[in-house]
Amino acid sequence: SQQGEEDPQALSIQEGENATMNCSYKTSINNLQWYRQNSGRGLVHLILIRSNEREKHSGRLRVTLDTSKKSSSLLITASRAADTASYFCAGGNTGFQKLVFGTGTRLLVSP
Amino acid sequence: EADIYQTPRYLVIGTGKKITLECSQTMGHDKMYWYQQDPGMELHLIHYSYGVNSTEKGDLSSESTVSRIRTEHFPLTLESARPSHTSQYLCASSPRSGGNQPQHFGDGTRLSIL
Repeated sequence: SQQGEEDPQALSIQEGENATMNCSYKTSINNLQWYRQNSGRGLVHLILIRSNEREKHSGRLRVTLDTSKKSSSLLITASRAADTASYFCAGGNTGFQKLVFGTGTRLLVSP
Repeated sequence: EADIYQTPRYLVIGTGKKITLECSQTMGHDKMYWYQQDPGMELHLIHYSYGVNSTEKGDLSSESTVSRIRTEHFPLTLESARPSHTSQYLCASSPRSGGNQPQHFGDGTRLSIL
């Protein structure tokens, strides 16, 4: 059973618009990570937010974490066609750092 | 750019063959992982390693085996491939220090068993 479930499963927007993806998870985590996967490629780490943080920014990315609701959101501002990819959340724990990935959100940004 | 390399990128092979998927990383990471991912689906952890001579099974049962004789190398082997093994296999690594470390991924091997 997956740790995270992303919502929506697919999202189609125009360049310049903002894209918001949500992730819900089931068990306790120490941190939550977001990754991007371009078609046919491996995953690329985007941002990590610790369980004692509520919000984090990195460039055009903004991540929030609500541990009471076991949910996180990823906001991509001023989207570009190059942002087209699948986005996965993954919950991590201390110790070995096994990540459990969600099902992903497919984002399509049209020029 | 990737410091973790997987070969081959694509493999189409017949049933019953022995297959080894290679994964190497140049970052000196102690922890390495193998994930299985069907198209458009989530990643499932099938094997991981704490370091040299350490291998553990992941959350998804797999008929594959792994070895970790050198820090930089974590190959995955299927002794007798079957069509049910058709999938994408992703290798990843992360440093030992702490639990809050991102994983670095290779570009994967897309395996098709005929």
